[in-house]
Amino acid sequence: GDSVTQTEGPVTLSEGTSLTVNCSYETKQYPTLFWYVQYPGEGPQLLFKVPKANEKGSNRGFEATYNKEATSFHLQKASVQESDSAVYYCALSDPQTGFASALTFGSGTKVIPCLP
Amino acid sequence: GPKVLQIPSHQIIDMGQMVTLNCDPVSNHLYFYWYKQILGQQMEFLVNFYNGKVMEKSKLFKDQFSVERPDGSYFTLKIQPTALEDSAVYFCASSLGLGGLEQYFGPGTRLTVL
Repeated sequence: GDSVTQTEGPVTLSEGTSLTVNCSYETKQYPTLFWYVQYPGEGPQLLFKVPKANEKGSNRGFEATYNKEATSFHLQKASVQESDSAVYYCALSDPQTGFASALTFGSGTKVIPCLP
Repeated sequence: GPKVLQIPSHQIIDMGQMVTLNCDPVSNHLYFYWYKQILGQQMEFLVNFYNGKVMEKSKLFKDQFSVERPDGSYFTLKIQPTALEDSAVYFCASSLGLGGLEQYFGPGTRLTVL
């Protein structure tokens, strides 16, 4: 079946530095890819999604490019802030080989920005 | 933004008992979901529900599980009887449609089966 593998957390980094959370996936077809963010006490919320290969998604300074050849969708932010403290989930939707609506999630990466 | 509510936030019960987890989805949404996350593991799809019926379910959706949404009320997940391996956080989600449309998640219910 489909699978998603992402950077194991927690990731601790200084405010103002760049963040990369790696995400790789395995599917038989070309899925829609998502990044979700979960703040303490809340459910995951959509950060952005990219339905097509070789396109980029972005929101709130975060971005990721759907790399079909490398089957990757790495999340990046140039300058992380304290407010970015959260768990980040990479996910995919693959109606061709899976369920029409189900999301397959990675294990989540906790990001902890700290004062420089 | 739109909110999905889940009640209760925590539930502790003895193995073999019945439990009902409640979800108040976004008001105009049509599709409803349950996901299960065991501590330290990935969130996994259980079931989705549309127009009064289960549309799809995974192998994790055991015979002891059932879902329903009586008109105008909560979307519920019932487990009867519960087992130790049912201990997890259960997330409810809803969406306006399928095809990659955004799923809105609730904060989860932490279920502990003793």
